[in-house]
Amino acid sequence: DAKTTQPTSMDCAEGRAANLPCNHSTISGNEYVYWYRQIHSQGPQYIIHGLKNNETNEMASLIITEDRKSSTLILPHATLRDTAVYYCIVRVPSVYNTDKLIFGTGTRLQVFP
Amino acid sequence: DTEVTQTPKHLVMGMTNKKSLKCEQHMGHRAMYWYKQKAKKPPELMFVYSYEKLSINESVPSRFSPECPNSSLLNLHLHALQPEDSALYLCASSSSGGYLGYTFGSGTRLTVV
Repeated sequence: DAKTTQPTSMDCAEGRAANLPCNHSTISGNEYVYWYRQIHSQGPQYIIHGLKNNETNEMASLIITEDRKSSTLILPHATLRDTAVYYCIVRVPSVYNTDKLIFGTGTRLQVFP
Repeated sequence: DTEVTQTPKHLVMGMTNKKSLKCEQHMGHRAMYWYKQKAKKPPELMFVYSYEKLSINESVPSRFSPECPNSSLLNLHLHALQPEDSALYLCASSSSGGYLGYTFGSGTRLTVV
């Protein structure tokens, strides 16, 4: 699986959009980009994933560049409860579930009042 | 039911004890995983079970012994652990292909004394 690079930490004011970048320059054509977050001492929570097209769900939007070498997770109106570590992961889903979800170091997002 | 349930939430054990961690899901997921997470570090994959068979062992010491009695249950048997094995142990499950991501439990916080 391709390696990802994320900033160690970011701050965001409450109510503003939080834009979390991720670099995955060695991504392969069949690898998906996944985003998870982990709020202190809880299990990681799935946020969103995509392959080529931009994606949006009730939690966030995912913007993937045309060359797929980088992506940005957007939390449109950050709240204090969005303070967490955000992980960007690339992987090939395996039909027989023998794949690995390998976490990188992630970005610690601090939302302030 | 869209949850992965882990018990116990906290466990303190001596180095000569034998204990087990339990993980349960009723989403019909056929892949289940054990991760270990040390403080301020990302989760690290330990084991992958696919269709109740062990498919990946990430060179985990034999003092950790996984077991998958059926498609809904995953156990991690612990014996002769060391203090450095103290960590948050996370269980996860995914549907075939994992396209919708992994669902994680809230973890068992293990302290070895």
